[in-house]
Amino acid sequence: ETGVTQSPTHLIKTRGQQVTLRCSSQSGHNTVSWYQQALGQGPQFIFQYYREEENGRGNFPPRFSGLQFPNYSSELNVNALELDDSALYLCASSPDSPSGANVLTFGAGSRLTVL
Amino acid sequence: EDKVVQSPLSLVVHEGDTVTLNCSYEVTNFRSLLWYKQEKKAPTFLFMLTSSGIEKKSGRLSSILDKKELFSILNITATQTGDSAIYLCAAGSSNTGKLIFGQGTTLQVKP
Repeated sequence: ETGVTQSPTHLIKTRGQQVTLRCSSQSGHNTVSWYQQALGQGPQFIFQYYREEENGRGNFPPRFSGLQFPNYSSELNVNALELDDSALYLCASSPDSPSGANVLTFGAGSRLTVL
Repeated sequence: EDKVVQSPLSLVVHEGDTVTLNCSYEVTNFRSLLWYKQEKKAPTFLFMLTSSGIEKKSGRLSSILDKKELFSILNITATQTGDSAIYLCAAGSSNTGKLIFGQGTTLQVKP
């Protein structure tokens, strides 16, 4: 059984650029969520996808968008990068529907630095 | 607004000490309270609590939930240097799939 894998592990971008982060869910998991973790803070919910549809969104602007694919893998896209977007982006998957148990399995994250 | 608050924010102890980490929450339609350990990047699951007063144990770690007072504690006995990490508390609600995390407690265990 493979866990949650994310790519890339590290990347550096400049303000105004766009970035795509990728996530492969754990086998058998059909729900994927994305979280942003700034240095010294807890993870903040960005959004969740279930069966390829967005199912809940946190307090993030529309320039944060996502996709879930039929194989349950997912992408997080961020447009018009700002310095404050520098953070660890965590992907998490779970085997249940969104109304089910909330135990999430996290990937190791993508560390984004915006200069 | 839903929120989760952890205390203390950081803690330094010596091997063999016992520590208690605190987590209070205010979450609409509360369903569950989860504890995660974050050593480098990926938070790893420790416990999920849904019922008041029932202690969950795993080795030297234990946790309990009080749904009346809206808090949970995580205890670690006989701490080891390998327990050094950030401990995250998160609350889940029944009408969404998201977890609301606290800011974490950074634990450092010195030899």
